[in-house]
Amino acid sequence: NAGVTQTPKFQVLKTGQSMTLQCAQDMNHEYMSWYRQDPGMGLRLIHYSVGAGITDQGEVPNGYNVSRSTTEDFPLRLLSAAPSQTSVYFCASRKTASYEQYFGPGTRLTVT
Amino acid sequence: AQSVAQPEDQVNVAEGNPLTVKCTYSVSGNPYLFWYVQYPNRGLQFLLKYITGDNLVKGSYGFEAEFNKSQTSFHLKKPSALVSDSALYFCAVREKGSQGNLIFGKGTKLSVKP
Repeated sequence: NAGVTQTPKFQVLKTGQSMTLQCAQDMNHEYMSWYRQDPGMGLRLIHYSVGAGITDQGEVPNGYNVSRSTTEDFPLRLLSAAPSQTSVYFCASRKTASYEQYFGPGTRLTVT
Repeated sequence: AQSVAQPEDQVNVAEGNPLTVKCTYSVSGNPYLFWYVQYPNRGLQFLLKYITGDNLVKGSYGFEAEFNKSQTSFHLKKPSALVSDSALYFCAVREKGSQGNLIFGKGTKLSVKP
């Protein structure tokens, strides 16, 4: 199993550009989520999904969109990037009945 | 609202000495508590969890954590630190009534010197 994979590893955007951060898992996990990690702030939940076709907002959803058309994939879209979205983004997944989350390696995004 | 607090930004320990990374929680009812570790330029890895039962929980890499209900704490411990334990450690609590989302503390950087 590859586990949770994320692409790209690094990305630089200009303010106003859009992009999609990709996340995929091959463990047949129902639950998937996106976090952002900022220095001194820990991880904050952006969006999550409990299964294909179901998504919901987390603590900091503004500026981000998600969709879940398959169990495996959970892309995160930035429609109009802002410098405040400079961060490291982590995708995570788990089985619904499990307590342990598996994290991807992260995407480091810089918005200039 | 549920939350966890990690009062130390950084903990410095000499190799071979015991280590403690502190975590306190604020939760109504019984908490589900977790510790994760993040090595440089990597994603988070699960270390251990407390759901119910014995207050001393054992996890990966020789780590353990002690749940203390009266002090609302869940400190991470290891009897003998290794240089390779140097990493960022996160305490987390599972949110109630929200599909089990995790709320993370701000993280504590552990530095183990030879």
